[in-house]
Amino acid sequence: ETGVTQTPRHLVMGMTNKKSLKCEQHLGHNAMYWYKQSAKKPLELMFVYSLEERVENNSVPSRFSPECPNSSHLFLHLHTLQPEDSALYLCASSPNAAFNYGYTFGSGTRLTVV
Amino acid sequence: QKEVEQNSGPLSVPEGAIASLNCTYSDRGSQSFFWYRQYSGKSPELIMSIYSNGDKEDGRFTAQLNKASQYVSLLIRDSQPSDSATYLCAVNRGSGNTGKLIFGQGTTLQVKP
Repeated sequence: ETGVTQTPRHLVMGMTNKKSLKCEQHLGHNAMYWYKQSAKKPLELMFVYSLEERVENNSVPSRFSPECPNSSHLFLHLHTLQPEDSALYLCASSPNAAFNYGYTFGSGTRLTVV
Repeated sequence: QKEVEQNSGPLSVPEGAIASLNCTYSDRGSQSFFWYRQYSGKSPELIMSIYSNGDKEDGRFTAQLNKASQYVSLLIRDSQPSDSATYLCAVNRGSGNTGKLIFGQGTTLQVKP
């Protein structure tokens, strides 16, 4: 399998639930990212990981908790979300975070909070 | 002022015409510029990158960069209905270990047969 794979593709969760989004890249990249895409708004950067170390936390609420156990895997743990957190969550990877060659995006997880 | 600005459109062009998409950015230190295409319900796909002033051509696509004016554009020649999508401009901000892409809101392009 190649590229960037995200699971699940769709997720519906209640505000009291805990769930996790998973991202896996098979490109040998060293940097991974979480973005949020809401309707009518630009892609919002949430977290940046470089060689498994978090190097950016873009003022994201603590109900979103990232985890990067190795350079190929990235998780986003979700708990006590709000309806306004409903969005498309995109994972991306790049060869490194220092010089930007452009990202490869996964297919995204469409999250609905009810 | 937004870091990366695009006209949200929609931009409507007839099939076979040239589509011109524009983007301005605020960080003069930015060094890398990208155009992504996003079809409805899909994830963004990288179509062009440009790093130095001038034009860069790839098939029907030409990216243009003017760092003095903080302006980057994308021209699509011989537009096809399959080019109908939202085009996202992205600009690198930061350096070292924290370089990251900042995206514009995107311009929706409609190519009419």
